[in-house]
Order: sequence, then structure tokens, then C-alpha cells
Amino acid sequence: AQSVTQLGSHVSVSEGALVLLRCNYSSSVPPYLFWYVQYPNQGLQLLLKYTSAATLVKGINGFEAEFKKSETSFHLTKPSAHMSDAAEYFCAVSAAGDGGSQGNLIFGKGTKLSVKP
Amino acid sequence: DGGITQSPKYLFRKEGQNVTLSCEQNLNHDAMYWYRQDPGQGLRLIYYSQIVNDFQKGDIAEGYSVSREKKESFPLTVTSAQKNPTAFYLCATRGSWTEAFFGQGTRLTVV
Repeated sequence: AQSVTQLGSHVSVSEGALVLLRCNYSSSVPPYLFWYVQYPNQGLQLLLKYTSAATLVKGINGFEAEFKKSETSFHLTKPSAHMSDAAEYFCAVSAAGDGGSQGNLIFGKGTKLSVKP
Repeated sequence: DGGITQSPKYLFRKEGQNVTLSCEQNLNHDAMYWYRQDPGQGLRLIYYSQIVNDFQKGDIAEGYSVSREKKESFPLTVTSAQKNPTAFYLCATRGSWTEAFFGQGTRLTVV
């Protein structure tokens, strides 16, 4: 079984500051890991994904995440926050390459990012 | 354009009424999913289907029903048995066992 914990339901940063959103996962099998972004009243958009290749993954809009197996973490970072980054961010896990029920995406509860001018 | 279309965007339900949310995709993906989103609770899986004419319950299936008669379509019915249906509903598809693609959502409100 898989699970995801996102530390911090709300994070506030100043424009230009580092963004760090934390995600820890639990999985009994090798995982795939994902970060999604959601703007108000919209669906989820994929930011980046880890699927057993490079442990440092680069995504859209300047975001990146590093898979650390020893720490069971997949934290999302961006060196310099922009006002347009204000949104809700979701971390998700699934079993690697599995089309069965373990392949379903399991989501964290989300972290709302606020960016102050 | 390829994508996932959810309709309607906003839906109002009276007490005791069944309502159906539409999800259509032209991505040729086998797997389709319905999630419910409530503030502070993330996304919770209602039902999923990995192939036509087959579907499985997710974590919160009570009060909901689905069908998968065509690859392109996976409608969700919110029945009168669902006592707290007010939420944001998201449909997703998955072609390979990597990322899911999401529709724009339907916001259901009980009036």
C-alpha cells in the first residue's frame, strides 16, 4: 500500500524567495512520484514526475524535485518564487509500472502556497 | 484538441435527487478515475475503471455509481444515498502507468 504526507497545509513565501514544499511517501514497492499544481476551480496540472530514472527531476515553471529513497522524500523546490506560483500543490504516489490497484494514484492533502509581494 | 471534458462545470442538486456528472476523453486512454475533492482533504478516489465494461470501487464509493460502456466515457452518478455530496469532482485518465491527466472539474452543490 502507498501513502503520502505533505508537511504544512499552508506555506507563505516572499516573491523572489526559495520555495520548498515537503512530501514524504510510504510504499511497499518501488514508487512513481508526482507533483501536481491546482489553481482555483480548475483541474490538476502535472508539474513533474519521478519514474525510476534520474533522481533529480526538473519540471515546468522552474520547479524541481529530488527523490531520496533513504529519506522516503520527494520535496518540491523552486529557487525564486513568482506571484503566479500561488496555488495549491499536491504530491502523489503510485506503484511503479503496475496496472493493478496498487497503480492507482494516492494523493497527499495538498499545500497551499501564498506568495507575498 | 485532445483532452478530457467534464460537464457541467457547476451543478446543483436538490435533496433526494440523483445527478450525473459527465466525463469524456479523446486521449485513447484505457484507465479512467473519479476523485472527490474537499477543502483540506486532498483527492479521494471514488471509482476507477481500467477497461471497458469493468470498474472498481475506490475508497469512498458509497452513494455513487458509475458505468463504462465506451472507452471514451465514464459518467458518475451521485445518488440520493450520498448524504454529503457538496464537493468538487475531478475525472482523470491514464494511458500508461505514469501520470494521470485531469479534467477541469465539476462543482456540485446541494440546494
